[in-house]
Amino acid sequence: EADIYQTPRYLVIGTGKKITLECSQTMGHDKMYWYQQDPGMELHLIHYSYGVNSTEKGDLSSESTVSRIRTEHFPLTLESARPSHTSQYLCATSTGGRTEAFFGQGTRLTVV
Amino acid sequence: DQQVKQNSPSLSVQEGRISILNCDYTNSMFDYFLWYKKYPAEGPTFLISISSIKDKNEDGRFTVFLNKSAKHLSLHIVPSQPGDSAVYFCAALGNQFYFGTGTSLTVIP
Repeated sequence: EADIYQTPRYLVIGTGKKITLECSQTMGHDKMYWYQQDPGMELHLIHYSYGVNSTEKGDLSSESTVSRIRTEHFPLTLESARPSHTSQYLCATSTGGRTEAFFGQGTRLTVV
Repeated sequence: DQQVKQNSPSLSVQEGRISILNCDYTNSMFDYFLWYKKYPAEGPTFLISISSIKDKNEDGRFTVFLNKSAKHLSLHIVPSQPGDSAVYFCAALGNQFYFGTGTSLTVIP
């Protein structure tokens, strides 16, 4: 049973649409992350959060925004999707210590 | 500049043999290293980790070796099984997780 839930799993949308990718966790972890990953490439950190009301941009420039109003929920929003946003988006959590991050199953986004 | 590198994009191994996946890093401040396994269209799953105070960690068929002086780590899978076929990502933990580009392992029955 998954402890990190990402919805939708797959999404195909038109250019210019606003979308929100959902990520929820039941692990009680403070740190949450959004990564973007394309085949043959590393996972790029686009946003992270240390806890409620904390959000930071990652190393990869992104036109998306995030919010962290509740510990369990870390949604990512694209105000106006473009074909360059086509990618796999991965949500992850960790305790923040020297331990592993846990990933959701990802959202495969295609912008046409 | 990429701080974690996996220079072999792909590796093919016969079932039952050893698979060795390699990873190099540049930042000597990294103190925790991890390996993840990823299937297409799924999120990475954690396999095994190692702290910088150790040089080896073993979990069943998986062993990770760390050579701090060379800034190199490797994942050994023995014996390799067809179900091991996936992309393997190396990661290092500094102030955030840094991932390599992955090595696609194919285990041939």
